[in-house]
Amino acid sequence: SYELTQPPSVSVSPGQTASITCSGNELGNKYACWYQQKPGQSPVLVIYEDNNRPSGIPERFSGSKSGNTATLTISGTQAMDEADYYCQAWDRNSYVVFGGGTKLTVL
Amino acid sequence: EVQLVESGGGLVQPGGSLRLSCAASGFTFSTYWMHWVRQAPGKGLEWVSRIRSDGSTTTYAASVKGRFTISRDNAKNTLYLQMNSLRAEETAVYYCARERLTIIQGVTSIWLDPWGQGTLVTVSS
Repeated sequence: SYELTQPPSVSVSPGQTASITCSGNELGNKYACWYQQKPGQSPVLVIYEDNNRPSGIPERFSGSKSGNTATLTISGTQAMDEADYYCQAWDRNSYVVFGGGTKLTVL
Repeated sequence: EVQLVESGGGLVQPGGSLRLSCAASGFTFSTYWMHWVRQAPGKGLEWVSRIRSDGSTTTYAASVKGRFTISRDNAKNTLYLQMNSLRAEETAVYYCARERLTIIQGVTSIWLDPWGQGTLVTVSS
């Protein structure tokens, strides 16, 4: 089955840039998206098609991909960005696949 | 406003059954594929199932295949998940979500947006 790997945790200081990676075999030939989930809330889409931002998502959220690694970047990180972040891709055999999630701490 | 509202969660004994519902509003439900995703307490997201817009095609995660059945009633704008032979490890919040899909240069991109608020299923004796 297809797998996506994320670091369990990332820490960032307020105002700095946070980067969360997501790697997977042949991810370079797929599209990645990213969800933000705050405690007690449902996931919210923040990036789709590797680097597109839905309406209503702040410009400080951006996505990129290099080779088989996708990256979610949060510029000028704010305290409200503290959350769990999940990457997701579509695999024709495994269907919807999520990464294990990354807990972003803003301290 | 696009909205998804799950219901039907609760406490069920191991081996028991439960049917979840997801009421959709604010969009043309009958034109979208829909998904169920679950999240065990303190754990990550796990995809469960997917159904085509007209209900003619369904797919399941290997972990639930043969025990769970996804269905929909487009006249009622409602998605369902029938869960049988439930196990303790399937205690989780179950979310429904709408699929968005594009195909760019032959590559399929699928993402889920929006998600419902979730309904908690507890499997315990």
